[in-house]
Amino acid sequence: QVQLVQSGAEVKKPRSSVQVSCKTSRGTFSNYGFSWVRQAPGQGLEWMGGIIPMSGKANYAQKFQGRVTITADKSTSTVYMGLSSLRSEDTAVYYCARGRFLEWLFPFDIWGQGTMVTVSS
Amino acid sequence: QSVLTQPPSASATPGQRVTISCSGSSSNIRSQTISWYHQVPGTAPKLLIYSGDQRPSGIPDRFSGSKSGTSASLVISGLQSDDEADYYCAAWEDSLNGPIFGGGTRLTVL
Repeated sequence: QVQLVQSGAEVKKPRSSVQVSCKTSRGTFSNYGFSWVRQAPGQGLEWMGGIIPMSGKANYAQKFQGRVTITADKSTSTVYMGLSSLRSEDTAVYYCARGRFLEWLFPFDIWGQGTMVTVSS
Repeated sequence: QSVLTQPPSASATPGQRVTISCSGSSSNIRSQTISWYHQVPGTAPKLLIYSGDQRPSGIPDRFSGSKSGTSASLVISGLQSDDEADYYCAAWEDSLNGPIFGGGTRLTVL
């Protein structure tokens, strides 16, 4: 069974950057889409963007354009999410999620365990 | 309108049936893109329903999805205590070229 394993918790200063990784345990990688979804404490789910490794093409939510970068390394079956210019409102759990259908980001079939990112001075 | 609206809370007793609604617009509520997720606080969400009414393997048939007009619904029948969780609808929003989530419904099993 495919699993998504994310990197560990991060504590960052305001105005710094963070990178979170998501490695697939087995199964095909390039043909699926992978997204990043975040959840602030006590809040709902918010899609940030996604990528289809086969094409390398990333698609970002308008809210995060210019601050988020999503990349994929096919050699290690790992997807990365970088977020810059961090502010306290970015404190959240960040999930990676795989799309159910080939070459499509949505719906989200398999989820990583989540990575807590805390932004605090 | 790129918003999905869910009731913030719902409750029912074990064995009962509960319906959670998700209201949107023609640019997002389309059968082939509606999905529902179940999340126990502190854990990752889990896909319950996709393409409006399809269940992934391992999801019991107590969970069903439907759509009418610009609203979607999740029905849980034979409610069990471990169904107590947050439930989110989601759909692809054409105007944003990306998926959007409803605000979530916290289900309490009394």
